[in-house]
Amino acid sequence: DSGVTQTPKHLITATGQRVTLRCSPRSGDLSVYWYQQSLDQGLQFLIQYYNGEERAKGNILERFSAQQFPDLHSELNLSSLELGDSALYFCASSGQGNLETQYFGPGTRLLVL
Amino acid sequence: GESVGLHLPTLSVQEGDNSIINCAYSNSASDYFIWYKQESGKGPQFIIDIRSNMDKRQGQRVTVLLNKTVKHLSLQIAATQPGDSAVYFCAENKGTYKYIFGTGTRLKVLA
Repeated sequence: DSGVTQTPKHLITATGQRVTLRCSPRSGDLSVYWYQQSLDQGLQFLIQYYNGEERAKGNILERFSAQQFPDLHSELNLSSLELGDSALYFCASSGQGNLETQYFGPGTRLLVL
Repeated sequence: GESVGLHLPTLSVQEGDNSIINCAYSNSASDYFIWYKQESGKGPQFIIDIRSNMDKRQGQRVTVLLNKTVKHLSLQIAATQPGDSAVYFCAENKGTYKYIFGTGTRLKVLA
């Protein structure tokens, strides 16, 4: 158990809908990262937050957004969902430094029908 | 569980033998590297890391080797066990808070 929690574990929705994925980092970790993992793309970095502020952006679509709250939990919002958004979405957390190890949560499996 | 990366390169190893998983990284400025293990249906799990000022680092049954000249990273697993069956990813970081992950290698341990 990495100490990172994610909910829900599974999510099934329809095209055009909006969903919110939730992540709680390890105790004491200030950084939260979001990744998308699909069969043909591997792990793709989406976005990072540090202590409530956006710190780095990766291949995140404009239909996706994220935020980190004062209690350090984070939410990833996916809107206008398309079939191709079906994937595993992982959250990871790390400490303060930029070379800190990332610890991953169990992921949320999203299926868009 | 689901299969991650159906078209991943696969390494098949006999139980008890040593495994060597290789990774070519992309950026010569990367200064921190991690190996992750991902079992079916689970998130990536940290195995071992190494910084660019080192060539080798050993953990319990695992060793990571870094060759900066050819931008190559390898993970050696000693006495491979059935529980080692998983997909293994390398990740690199060049100090920008952004990790770049390799595509992964599937390790199959044969009984």
